[in-house]
Amino acid sequence: RKEVEQDPGPFNVPEGATVAFNCTYSNSASQSFFWYRQDCRKEPKLLMSVYSSGNEDGRFTAQLNRASQYISLLIRDSKLSDSATYLCVVNPTGGGNKLTFGTGTQLKVEL
Amino acid sequence: DTEVTQTPKHLVMGMTNKKSLKCEQHMGHRAMYWYKQKAKKPPELMFVYSYEKLSINESVPSRFSPECPNSSLLNLHLHALQPEDSALYLCASSQDPLPGELFFGEGSRLTVL
Repeated sequence: RKEVEQDPGPFNVPEGATVAFNCTYSNSASQSFFWYRQDCRKEPKLLMSVYSSGNEDGRFTAQLNRASQYISLLIRDSKLSDSATYLCVVNPTGGGNKLTFGTGTQLKVEL
Repeated sequence: DTEVTQTPKHLVMGMTNKKSLKCEQHMGHRAMYWYKQKAKKPPELMFVYSYEKLSINESVPSRFSPECPNSSLLNLHLHALQPEDSALYLCASSQDPLPGELFFGEGSRLTVL
């Protein structure tokens, strides 16, 4: 089993739709979780950290389910500009400098 | 605009050349990273410097040699590379001990002929 697994997609959704991505991780001791966004041929950028209580930032909601070892990202009212690859990132050891990246989920928002 | 600056943006080199990639950040971050990314793949960690000391080397071949002259600068020296080393090389920094919040540079796109 991979350390961090994501559905590669692509997810093709119409503008205004709600879309959700899941990411599973194998190390139950993982401490920190993040969603990064990467546009085509650009660098990854932090979208959100994921906290145990869940967190929301505008149209984006991230949740953590420790029992089932997955995190999720919900995007409401999708915009064309949301088209990108969404990378799930896990710090498996907590406090160390090593992060594990998922392979990414590609989102395409269409008119 | 990214606060991590990488040069050059593009580099083409032969297998016998020696070149260097440079990275600079002025955010006062104490951890700096080199990642390698191939098309449609996630970034792969190569090296981590924490407080100017090499803390992680992910078994990277010796033809890649990192250097951290000071807390703001990170170099990656390249020598005798192979065509399969062609990739996007990303530098990142973080405010230790929050390694999850990485700030990436725009990357140096390397082609080895």
